[in-house]
Amino acid sequence: QQQVKQSPQSLIVQKGGISIINCAYENTAFDYFPWYQQFPGKGPALLIAIRPDVSEKKEGRFTISFNKSAKQFSLHIMDSQPGDSATYFCAASSPGKSTFGDGTTLTVKP
Amino acid sequence: DTAVSQTPKYLVTQMGNDKSIKCEQNLGHDTMYWYKQDSKKFLKIMFSYNNKELIINETVPNRFSPKSPDKAHLNLHINSLELGDSAVYFCASSQDSIRGYTFGSGTRLTVV
Repeated sequence: QQQVKQSPQSLIVQKGGISIINCAYENTAFDYFPWYQQFPGKGPALLIAIRPDVSEKKEGRFTISFNKSAKQFSLHIMDSQPGDSATYFCAASSPGKSTFGDGTTLTVKP
Repeated sequence: DTAVSQTPKYLVTQMGNDKSIKCEQNLGHDTMYWYKQDSKKFLKIMFSYNNKELIINETVPNRFSPKSPDKAHLNLHINSLELGDSAVYFCASSQDSIRGYTFGSGTRLTVV
């Protein structure tokens, strides 16, 4: 049973555009929702995270939107840059464990 | 200064061999993890240790045996390596799961 579903699998965006990646979860016990960014040959790095008591969190060009009733959350990358090209993972955490989505490969074309 | 360090970075070995991957974190975190990332980049948890105590053991073959000598170290020993074990193995640590993980840079294991 896949507890965190992530889409799309891959995404191509023009420089300056908005990149949107979506995730849906099933387990209402999850209480922390981080996003990770992974460049080739590197480990995933924590990018931004949100708790379910807020609907939006913004850090620079990165925003998480959270819809608790729909059990969905999304990552928006504004003014996407070629340097944002990476694989992005959403995750949903409960005490002691994080479950990751399957990842989205983002390519930002110059 | 590396927060979570893994060694080796690359490991090429023959089927049937036994190998170990070492992980150390200098963040003072209580919990450490091993994740497997396959060729499709899927990240799957294998083990989780909290203060040297095993707390998560997902459905991993018993050829994989983690060992945590202290809360700063979590090693992974793999017996009788199989072709399907080829993947990138990531060590990670966290103070608790609701603060996010710090990952190491990974160990690319290739079984030939």
